[in-house]
Amino acid sequence: DVKVTQSSRYLVKRTGEKVFLECVQDMDHENMFWYRQDPGLGLRLIYFSYDVKMKEKGDIPEGYSVSREKKERFSLILESASTNQTSMYLCASSSGTQKGTQYFGPGTRLLVL
Amino acid sequence: EDQVTQSPEALRLQEGESSSLNCSYTVSGLRGLFWYRQDPGKGPEFLFTLYSAGEEKEKERLKATLTKKESFLHITAPKPEDSATYLCAVRGTSGSRLTFGEGTQLTVNP
Repeated sequence: DVKVTQSSRYLVKRTGEKVFLECVQDMDHENMFWYRQDPGLGLRLIYFSYDVKMKEKGDIPEGYSVSREKKERFSLILESASTNQTSMYLCASSSGTQKGTQYFGPGTRLLVL
Repeated sequence: EDQVTQSPEALRLQEGESSSLNCSYTVSGLRGLFWYRQDPGKGPEFLFTLYSAGEEKEKERLKATLTKKESFLHITAPKPEDSATYLCAVRGTSGSRLTFGEGTQLTVNP
């Protein structure tokens, strides 16, 4: 079974703090993704990566950055957290050879005060 | 731009009452239509991938079908444990990205 893990289930941070969210997958997948999910807005892609040290912007990259130093690990960084970044953050991974099926982690619910 | 619209937004069923969820899509060159189940506070769980019109996939009480414009998720004799939000997504020619619909929240009452 594919396993995608995220470093925290719940996180509370203050405005202006730097926040790191980590995601690890154990299936040697090439592709990794970060989404945020908000009521009424659905799942929105923040950034994705199709290889180590490679990254591409998704639909809402502003205020976020990412890092992929190892194939299994993809980090999302909020440089200076703001209250409008309070959300559920979901990480996913997919194999380049399995026609795009993405497998998701359990999610991190982030509250920025 | 790829688009996915799911209907209804919410659906309440009695246990055993079969129904269908709809996913309408527009995509340039469909490379896969995906169904996920999401329980409250959890990440989406993969259910099915469909690649071409006429294809069908089944898993327990769920059956997914695909036409050139839409997909249906049929739920036969649902149970309370089928209560969840069901998400539909498409992959077009834009590489590995998926475009998601907003989901249908299904509640099955005992």
